[in-house]
Amino acid sequence: EAQVTQNPRYLITVTGKKLTVTCSQNMNHEYMSWYRQDPGLGLRQIYYSMNVEVTDKGDVPEGYKVSRKEKRNFPLILESPSPNQTSLYFCASSPPGIAPLHFGNGTRLTVT
Amino acid sequence: AQSVAQPEDQVNVAEGNPLTVKCTYSVSGNPYLFWYVQYPNRGLQFLLKYITGDNLVKGSYGFEAEFNKSQTSFHLKKPSALVSDSALYFCAVRLSFQGGKLIFGQGTELSVKP
Repeated sequence: EAQVTQNPRYLITVTGKKLTVTCSQNMNHEYMSWYRQDPGLGLRQIYYSMNVEVTDKGDVPEGYKVSRKEKRNFPLILESPSPNQTSLYFCASSPPGIAPLHFGNGTRLTVT
Repeated sequence: AQSVAQPEDQVNVAEGNPLTVKCTYSVSGNPYLFWYVQYPNRGLQFLLKYITGDNLVKGSYGFEAEFNKSQTSFHLKKPSALVSDSALYFCAVRLSFQGGKLIFGQGTELSVKP
């Protein structure tokens, strides 16, 4: 089944403890992206990647890192999480061009 | 600044009535516009997109959207709402064909009552 898989679905952590949210897609898509969803703000793009080893900042990149060493994987790294990063995170992928995004089911992160 | 606005946080419709979920945008250049739907505890699902051509775009589940360049709008419509259409709807714009930046509106909660 074609899908974008995020892990974990739920994560509770403490301020300053490094964490990684994994994202993997099995559709051979070039484009991958991370978003955070907050009430009243919709989805805001954190980082995106047009292909392997090519990443760029979205609108809210501060406090996040990404890497794209393989086509299928696009992990999101929070090196020192803070409470304002408590949010619902989505990974998405798409083929080249103006193609629809395929979304994962989300990761709900709570930072205390 | 480039932006997408969904002016209504919530839209309430009776089943069988037509529905409209509004979206306006402010971008430079030609916009590439999308509508997505989100059901509880799920990721977003693609409904339809506008790239160029006919201003009326048809999509999944009987939804359609009308692109209006002069009003910079891309409203989502359905002639007859179903209770199962109740969900959170997002309008989004991609800023260029080759680039990867995507801007979403804040979302509109659609509630369809029997």
